Amino acid sequence: QLQLQESGPGLVKPSETLSLTCTVSGGSISSSSYYWGWIRQPPGKGLEWIGSIYYSGSTYYNPSLKSRVTISVDTSKNQFSLKLSSVTAADTAVYYCARHGHRGSSWSVDWFDPWGQGTLVTVSS
Amino acid sequence: EIVLTQSPGTLSLSPGERATLSCRASQSVSSSYLAWYQQKPGQAPRLLIYGASSRATGIPDRFSGSGSGTDFTLTISRLEPEDFAVYYCQQYGSSPPEFGGGTKVEIK
Repeated sequence: QLQLQESGPGLVKPSETLSLTCTVSGGSISSSSYYWGWIRQPPGKGLEWIGSIYYSGSTYYNPSLKSRVTISVDTSKNQFSLKLSSVTAADTAVYYCARHGHRGSSWSVDWFDPWGQGTLVTVSS
Repeated sequence: EIVLTQSPGTLSLSPGERATLSCRASQSVSSSYLAWYQQKPGQAPRLLIYGASSRATGIPDRFSGSGSGTDFTLTISRLEPEDFAVYYCQQYGSSPPEFGGGTKVEIK
């Protein structure tokens, strides 16, 4: 059974860079059938897709966050990572990693399944 | 981008009742690329429905999805105590993928 687990600091100072890692177990991150994504949820609010990465390193980002986001993959460790720069209090959220499929050779996204349990990141001095 | 509007915001029902949740898109969702998720407090979202009407693995048949174009519905035929949660729709027909604001199904 595929499982995803987020890890990283729970507290980040304003203007600094948020860094999280998602470790995939029970399956290979190098599968050609899937992308690996990050989604966040501010406390009491809805869900926002941040971006996704393919095992080859191809990345796709939400235009609303693109200037501040970097997602990378380490296939040797079966992990992918998120960096979000210049954070503010508005970036306080539960951050989830999740897997999604695609529909062919060009970029596309399907439904997200499974998800990690999520990790709360608070931006505060 | 496609904006998804879910209604109602909150649905107050009793166990055993039928729940009907709506998800309306600001433009047509291609090929019915719409999913539904259930989220309980402190938990990650759980996939219920994909392709507008296909149940995910292990999802009870009291959950059903329907719709096309801009109007989609999630129906829970008879609410069980464990079904009281927040439900989100998500479109994946175009990028960026977007989620609706959610409908909370609470115990009346």
